Amino acid sequence: EAGVTQSPTHLIKTRGQQATLRCSPISGHTSVYWYQQALGLGLQFLLWYDEGEERNRGNFPPRFSGRQFPNYSSELNVNALELEDSALYLCASTPFWRSRQYQETQYFGPGTRLLVL
Amino acid sequence: DAKTTQPTSMDCAEGRAANLPCNHSTISGNEYVYWYRQIHSQGPQYIIHGLKNNETNEMASLIITEDRKSSTLILPHATLRDTAVYYCIVNYNAGNMLTFGGGTRLMVKP
Repeated sequence: EAGVTQSPTHLIKTRGQQATLRCSPISGHTSVYWYQQALGLGLQFLLWYDEGEERNRGNFPPRFSGRQFPNYSSELNVNALELEDSALYLCASTPFWRSRQYQETQYFGPGTRLLVL
Repeated sequence: DAKTTQPTSMDCAEGRAANLPCNHSTISGNEYVYWYRQIHSQGPQYIIHGLKNNETNEMASLIITEDRKSSTLILPHATLRDTAVYYCIVNYNAGNMLTFGGGTRLMVKP
């Protein structure tokens, strides 16, 4: 069974540009999560999509946005890039979100390393 | 707020058991304890999780105290490839996000 895949593996942009990162969840998973891991810092939750809708958002500015497609893959868009956006961006997936009482294990992809110059 | 406390780093001899502690004194009754690890520059890897009972899988064992205020992850026979940062996470389902703390950097030495 294929795991979570992310593309590209590396991305180099300059300040002010836009970056688009892509994630394909495990087959059968409908929820996708995005996390940011800046150098020397822990993983910070960015966004959660389930069934095509944004379900939750972390403490990030609106220039971080995304969407989920009908096939459950997802894009993370970062507009007006800043130097501090340089980080490893991780995507995770889970099966469909059944209820508020059930917690699903999240499975992570290898990440996209974004460098902003 | 990670809600967990872990030692910053630990060493373990190859072939020996690695016991990684985690304190989660404010854990709620419906919160699970999850363990993930992150090998350098890779995505976090799920290891094991539990609610009340001890759990074991092919990777590790999880021992949760009766009051659920602490737990221990046990890697029974550590290898060099187990060198990683290990995260203990108490996961409340609201928002469905994982809150990662600093983790424990485990160094397995020959």
